Amino acid sequence: RKEVEQDPGPFNVPEGATVAFNCTYSNSASQSFFWYRQDCRKEPKLLMSVYSSGNEDGRFTAQLNRASQYISLLIRDSKLSDSATYLCVVNGPGTYKYIFGTGTRLKVLA
Amino acid sequence: NAGVTQTPKFRVLKTGQSMTLLCAQDMNHEYMYWYRQDPGMGLRLIHYSVGEGTTAKGEVPDGYNVSRLKKQNFLLGLESAAPSQTSVYFCASNRPGQGANEQFFGPGTRLTVL
Repeated sequence: RKEVEQDPGPFNVPEGATVAFNCTYSNSASQSFFWYRQDCRKEPKLLMSVYSSGNEDGRFTAQLNRASQYISLLIRDSKLSDSATYLCVVNGPGTYKYIFGTGTRLKVLA
Repeated sequence: NAGVTQTPKFRVLKTGQSMTLLCAQDMNHEYMYWYRQDPGMGLRLIHYSVGEGTTAKGEVPDGYNVSRLKKQNFLLGLESAAPSQTSVYFCASNRPGQGANEQFFGPGTRLTVL
């Protein structure tokens, strides 16, 4: 079993749609959780950290469920510019250990 | 601030040749990392460093060496390149204990080994 698993997609959605991605992780001792965005042939960039209480940043909402060991990302009112690959990243145990999912590809259609 | 920079951006090598990839960061971060990214796989850790003068092996260290002589620089060396090392290499840095410990990435180096 992979340490971090994501549905690779692609998710093809129309502009304005709401789309949700899930990610599961295997190590219950994991400490920090992130969603990164990666555009084609570019470096990953932090989209948002994921906190236990859930957090929201504009159209983006992230949730963490430690009991079931999954995190989610909800994108509301999708824009063409949201088209990218979304990476789930889990940190720990250990401060240097970051485990990356293979990414979920999103394409927002006009 | 430039953030994290990498040189070169692209390189083509022949099997058996050697090269060094340079990563530099101007954020005074303690930790630096080298990853490789291959199609259908997540980023995999090659080597990392928790401070100047210290390095450690990651998940896929074979065929690579690293050095961290200065805090701001982290070098990745390939002594004898193999086609299996064709990949995109990303450097990252962060300062553990600061916020949620997010990593900051360089723009990547695309390496092809023929």
